[in-house]
Amino acid sequence: GENVEQHPSTLSVQEGDSAVIKCTYSDSASNYFPWYKQELGKRPQLIIDIRSNVGEKKDQRIAVTLNKTAKHFSLHITETQPEDSAVYFCAASRSGYSTLTFGKGTMLLVSP
Amino acid sequence: ETGVTQSPTHLIKTRGQQVTLRCSSQSGHNTVSWYQQALGQGPQFIFQYYREEENGRGNFPPRFSGLQFPNYSSELNVNALELDDSALYLCASSSGGGPQETQYFGPGTRLLVL
Repeated sequence: GENVEQHPSTLSVQEGDSAVIKCTYSDSASNYFPWYKQELGKRPQLIIDIRSNVGEKKDQRIAVTLNKTAKHFSLHITETQPEDSAVYFCAASRSGYSTLTFGKGTMLLVSP
Repeated sequence: ETGVTQSPTHLIKTRGQQVTLRCSSQSGHNTVSWYQQALGQGPQFIFQYYREEENGRGNFPPRFSGLQFPNYSSELNVNALELDDSALYLCASSSGGGPQETQYFGPGTRLLVL
């Protein structure tokens, strides 16, 4: 089955800096890659997703890049703010399968 | 916030007991997926229900079972509870039978097994 590795497990940045979280996946047939943000005690919320027919997607301060050859994808957050502090999860799936396989998460701490 | 709701919010059980968790999907969604999230880990897929039929199952034993009702709400049942079943149980609703559609998570039920 699919295996998703996520790094780093924790990331501390100063407000205004950029943050990058990286994930690798094992199943070359995976073609959908969402990112979820989970604040303490709250539900995971989708922040951005990318499908394998594109290499990059951007939404304001958040961007995701995908390298299908290397089987890795990354989340980029620019101009970080304290409210970006949360646990971020990457996930992967492929057409015809009902499973979303998640990484173990990255705790992002943005200090003022 | 999404329109997905779960009940109860918290639950304490003892080993060997049985538990039923409930999930109401977002309006217009016909698919419910269940995940187990242990402390400090990512959600792990338990199973998915699409139009009242099981549509995929993760690596969980048969004592984890579920069903989906005609209104697309869903239940997760766990029999013979074990200490390791202590976790946050999340349901997510979506439209369509696969994960390619965006999954919207409920707030979760935190289960503690003593």
